[in-house]
Amino acid sequence: QVQLQESGPGLVKPSGTLSLTCTVSGVSVRGGSKYWTWIRQPPGKGLEWIGYIYYTGSTKYNPSLKSRVTMSVNTSKNQFSLKLNSVTAADTAVYYCAREADYGGDWIIDYWGQGAQVTVSS
Amino acid sequence: SDDLTQPPSVSVSPGQTARITCSGDALAKQHASWFQQKPGQAPVLLIYKDTERPSGIPERFSGSSSGTTVTFTISGVQAEDEADYYCQSPDSSGIYRLFGGGTKVTVL
Repeated sequence: QVQLQESGPGLVKPSGTLSLTCTVSGVSVRGGSKYWTWIRQPPGKGLEWIGYIYYTGSTKYNPSLKSRVTMSVNTSKNQFSLKLNSVTAADTAVYYCAREADYGGDWIIDYWGQGAQVTVSS
Repeated sequence: SDDLTQPPSVSVSPGQTARITCSGDALAKQHASWFQQKPGQAPVLLIYKDTERPSGIPERFSGSSSGTTVTFTISGVQAEDEADYYCQSPDSSGIYRLFGGGTKVTVL
């Protein structure tokens, strides 16, 4: 059974860097036809796609966040990670990691982590 | 621009049918997924490729598509269906991902 679990600091200072890791179990991040994805949800608001990474290290980021986002993958630990720099209060959100898989030519977000609350505050 | 537009809220009585629309230019080229999110929980995939249901998802949840609009339907709404629902698709290029703003379904 595929499971994803986010981990990382719950509090980040303004202008600092948000760092989260997603540990995957039940499937290898090395396998093809999977994108490893980050999505966030500010309090009381909707879902925002941050970006995804392929096991080769290839990435695509939301253009609105691209200048501040870096994603990486660690196949030996079966993990992938998110870094968001120069954070402000507007980056306060629940951050979800998720898997996107190829369903016969359509990419479908099918598994989600439980979410990690990150607050930006001094 | 590539946006997905949903109504903010829908209210429905138990046993009735709830319909949520999602509109956007990207939907002319891309298929949509629908997610249910209950308070404090992660979203759950209910519909993918406009009309397909993952295993274990009740048949009362269904989807349809026409042009640049997709519709999510809950037939025979139950109290437990009260939640936020989001449509999602790739953008027109297929590179980036879009989410609708979400629709809160209230069971009266």
